[in-house]
Amino acid sequence: QQQVKQSPQSLIVQKGGISIINCAYENTAFDYFPWYQQFPGKGPALLIAIRPDVSEKKEGRFTISFNKSAKQFSLHIMDSQPGDSATYFCAADYGGSQGNLIFGKGTKLSVKP
Amino acid sequence: DAGITQSPRHKVTETGTPVTLRCHQTENHRYMYWYRQDPGHGLRLIHYSYGVKDTDKGEVSDGYSVSRSKTEDFLLTLESATSSQTSVYFCAISSGTRGELFFGEGSRLTVL
Repeated sequence: QQQVKQSPQSLIVQKGGISIINCAYENTAFDYFPWYQQFPGKGPALLIAIRPDVSEKKEGRFTISFNKSAKQFSLHIMDSQPGDSATYFCAADYGGSQGNLIFGKGTKLSVKP
Repeated sequence: DAGITQSPRHKVTETGTPVTLRCHQTENHRYMYWYRQDPGHGLRLIHYSYGVKDTDKGEVSDGYSVSRSKTEDFLLTLESATSSQTSVYFCAISSGTRGELFFGEGSRLTVL
């Protein structure tokens, strides 16, 4: 119940295409869903986050879609660029103590020129 | 970039030896974390701290201990390293804002 299932494990997209990464969870206590971006040799960095009372959040080319009834959320990268090539982690948090942020296993995105 | 420094950045050691990884922050954030990152497993929490001398276990704490004697420093110790502890270790800090962690650049540990 504490897991966050992320798919696909890897993704290859052509420049200008749409990258879509999906995550699913079981624990209905999760109430905050951030996404992290990690470039090779670097630590992850917060990219965008959403609360379950919102169905969609957009920041530039990055959009999170949230389906509370299905317990699923996804990251869409529009007009994907080679500079977006990185590993993306979804995460879920259920508040309380600070140790309650659970990460998915990551998706390695490669955007081909 | 958040002021987080991890040391050493790379270490090779032998099975059974003790290892200490250090995380130093200049942001005066209350919360500090140690994660390990392994292929196919993503990021898993080892231990975290919510103040000086206040720590708690995470998902994969067996074989690890931590200490925080000052706000700015969080140490991760492997008392007797094993090959299964070969990994990339990340320190993270937070002011407490929900889901917002700032990560260091990682320490790659190889246990032979």
